[in-house]
Amino acid sequence: GAGVSQSPSNKVTEKGKDVELRCDPISGHTALYWYRQSLGQGLEFLIYFQGNSAPDKSGLPSDRFSAERTGGSVSTLTIQRTQQEDSAVYLCASSLGDWGGELFFGEGSRLTVL
Amino acid sequence: AQKITQTQPGMFVQEKEAVTLDCTYDTSDPSYGLFWYKQPSSGEMIFLIYQGSYDQQNATEGRYSLNFQKARKSANLVISASQLGDSAMYFCAMREGNNAGNMLTFGGGTRLMVKP
Repeated sequence: GAGVSQSPSNKVTEKGKDVELRCDPISGHTALYWYRQSLGQGLEFLIYFQGNSAPDKSGLPSDRFSAERTGGSVSTLTIQRTQQEDSAVYLCASSLGDWGGELFFGEGSRLTVL
Repeated sequence: AQKITQTQPGMFVQEKEAVTLDCTYDTSDPSYGLFWYKQPSSGEMIFLIYQGSYDQQNATEGRYSLNFQKARKSANLVISASQLGDSAMYFCAMREGNNAGNMLTFGGGTRLMVKP
């Protein structure tokens, strides 16, 4: 499709397990973002990739969270040793990277940690 | 301090009426951009409107307009002629010029409910 694609759409896991969330941005978009949205809350910035530059990891809540972007396209967000407070919707977005350009969001991956 | 503040957790509006959703922001950078997104119950984030800090006129997009008051650091969203499909969460967001990237900082959102 033409939009941002995220998988899985839903993930239920047990506390302590690792999870991987995938994001496939819009073709040609150089910027990719991960946000987290807890139930009924706003969006919390996690990490940002722009082209070949070093990612901005300033929003990652702990060292259990990491992300990579391979070939300037697909990104994977990994959460190790999941905790119940990690339960949220993880939203990926991409943009052309220009100043006034809006972010195009995927439909999110809903993570539930039991 | 919060960079983006949306003081209305929930709002009701009668169908066909206009409604204003409040947003105030905090930045010391002279160059910034302001965005509004809509999030229906299905969860997707839909871009609505953008206002640059140097734009001389208020942005408009169809039934959406942004009441930009720079001195007051407010960027309220005005929806005219509300429709039932406008019921959703609305988020205000800001991009700052001194940010190394193009990351948006979001407010806590306002839930709008349109009454028939």
